[in-house]
Amino acid sequence: AQSVTQLDSHVSVSEGTPVLLRCNYSSSYSPSLFWYVQHPNKGLQLLLKYTSAATLVKGINGFEAEFKKSETSFHLTKPSAHMSDAAEYFCVVNSNNAGNMLTFGGGTRLMVKP
Amino acid sequence: DAGVIQSPRHEVTEMGQEVTLRCKPISGHNSLFWYRQTMMRGLELLIYFNNNVPIDDSGMPEDRFSAKMPNASFSTLKIQPSEPRDSAVYFCASSYSTEAFFGQGTRLTVV
Repeated sequence: AQSVTQLDSHVSVSEGTPVLLRCNYSSSYSPSLFWYVQHPNKGLQLLLKYTSAATLVKGINGFEAEFKKSETSFHLTKPSAHMSDAAEYFCVVNSNNAGNMLTFGGGTRLMVKP
Repeated sequence: DAGVIQSPRHEVTEMGQEVTLRCKPISGHNSLFWYRQTMMRGLELLIYFNNNVPIDDSGMPEDRFSAKMPNASFSTLKIQPSEPRDSAVYFCASSYSTEAFFGQGTRLTVV
């Protein structure tokens, strides 16, 4: 079984300040983990992925995430928020045990204030 | 590659009518997913195909919903009869290895 918990449904930051979106997962197998971003009225776009290589993963638009097995976490960070980062972010786990079954977290809506 | 292609992008229909949503996955991908997204329930997995075979349809709400994948390049999600509570954005996604690629979605409104 696998599950994902995004600890904050809403996060608000000021432009130019750091972003932290938290994600915890559970998985019976060595998981692959992803962050997707969804801008208003758009589809979901892959931001970054962890697939058992380096634990610090860099993605698009300056985002990065660190896989911490001991904490079962995969938090998403960015040093400096931009107005265009305002969107909904989803943490996703794939346990790689059978097929490509993905489990989504509930999403975190990021708001960026000028 | 053009990515995952969904049609139509928008659909407005009257309650009781049949609705068919279409999806063309990325060529070479062997897994296909249908998701539904609403404000109230977020993103829900409806059904998952692997090599054209339905693997998990436990998320399909009820018998009014059906999905098919007759070949590796096409899938449909049908709702018959449609109801206002089916109004949502329906996403199709395809995958080859670990990550999935999403289409732009079909916004369905049932009036």
